[in-house]
Amino acid sequence: KQEVTQIPAALSVPEGENLVLNCSFTDSAIYNLQWFRQDPGKGLTSLLLIQSSQREQTSGRLNASLDKSSGRSTLYIAASQPGDSATYLCAVVSSNTGKLIFGQGTTLQVKP
Amino acid sequence: DAMVIQNPRYQVTQFGKPVTLSCSQTLNHNVMYWYQQKSSQAPKLLFHYYDKDFNNEADTPDNFQSRRPNTSFCFLDIRSPGLGDAAMYLCATSSGGDRALEQYFGPGTRLTVT
Repeated sequence: KQEVTQIPAALSVPEGENLVLNCSFTDSAIYNLQWFRQDPGKGLTSLLLIQSSQREQTSGRLNASLDKSSGRSTLYIAASQPGDSATYLCAVVSSNTGKLIFGQGTTLQVKP
Repeated sequence: DAMVIQNPRYQVTQFGKPVTLSCSQTLNHNVMYWYQQKSSQAPKLLFHYYDKDFNNEADTPDNFQSRRPNTSFCFLDIRSPGLGDAAMYLCATSSGGDRALEQYFGPGTRLTVT
């Protein structure tokens, strides 16, 4: 059974810092991996999608990497801003079930 | 802009009073999903439609039903809401022909049960 774990559960950093959020999954049989952002009380916004054959994707200050063999992904946020404060969720589409399996998320606070 | 729309954004219902949540999409995607997300937890898949084919998750309570009258709309019916059903309900879509394609989420409906 696919399980997705995100560490740390919460993170607080001063504005301007570069930071890394971690995601691990137990079964390397995946179609893709997505990183989402969720603001309090809101829905999910897709940030980056990495196909199983890809190693990384970039969008603006965000860079996501995927190491399928080790079951790990990282989301790198450069020059963090207070507006980046949110919960970041990692999710994989399992090749066995075709379903999106989520981690519990990392709640990020960027202090001015 | 093509998007996934959920109505209402906030719903308050009484214990045991049936409630319906609505999702519509302009993406013309053939797969629609309903997720339940309780506070500080990961979203949990309740069921999905692949075109008109309904797929229920094994642990989805019988209290939860869904209807998809056409490609654009999908409804979540909670027949007798309990206090434990208070949550954020998220609708998502994908172009199911290729499972490697991403899912697009709506803004969610926050359900409160009093």
